[in-house]
Amino acid sequence: EDQVTQSPEALRLQEGESSSLNCSYTVSGLRGLFWYRQDPGKGPEFLFTLYSAGEEKEKERLKATLTKKESFLHITAPKPEDSATYLCAVSGATNKLIFGTGTLLAVQP
Amino acid sequence: ETGVTQTPRHLVMGMTNKKSLKCEQHLGHNAMYWYKQSAKKPLELMFVYSLEERVENNSVPSRFSPECPNSSHLFLHLHTLQPEDSALYLCASSLLTGLGETQYFGPGTRLLVL
Repeated sequence: EDQVTQSPEALRLQEGESSSLNCSYTVSGLRGLFWYRQDPGKGPEFLFTLYSAGEEKEKERLKATLTKKESFLHITAPKPEDSATYLCAVSGATNKLIFGTGTLLAVQP
Repeated sequence: ETGVTQTPRHLVMGMTNKKSLKCEQHLGHNAMYWYKQSAKKPLELMFVYSLEERVENNSVPSRFSPECPNSSHLFLHLHTLQPEDSALYLCASSLLTGLGETQYFGPGTRLLVL
């Protein structure tokens, strides 16, 4: 069964304190791994899609990496506006998007 | 309007009411989705439409009835809901279904069933 586990559930950082969020997955025939950002009361906002192990993508202070078992979302020198829930999802042979429960990130000034 | 829009943004309804949620995508996509998001739970896929044809019904109770009149519009008709149906209902679209296509989400409709 396809499954996604995100850790930690919640993370509190000081502004400028870099860290990483983890997304562990099991899927039959990975077709894509997706990272989204979700602000309270809003829909998920697309960040990255990774397709194969070794792939990396960057956007501003965020960098996503992928191995055969997990993905990391690295946040470098975060700012308070980076506070949000970060969601990871995988698409496999079933063509369905399977989501994790997310990591709630709070960045304090 | 750009991206994926949803109306209404908030809805309160009694268990005997009938209401509809509307979704519109302005991205030229061919696939549309309904998801349910409850607190502390992963997003749950409800329905998938590809080129206006329903291709997925993820064991959703019949009190939820989807409609896709064209590739830009998607509706979710609600009737005789239960309090446990209270959640954030999200619409998404993608160019195609499958093959690792990225899905783009709307802002959601926050539904409260009394």
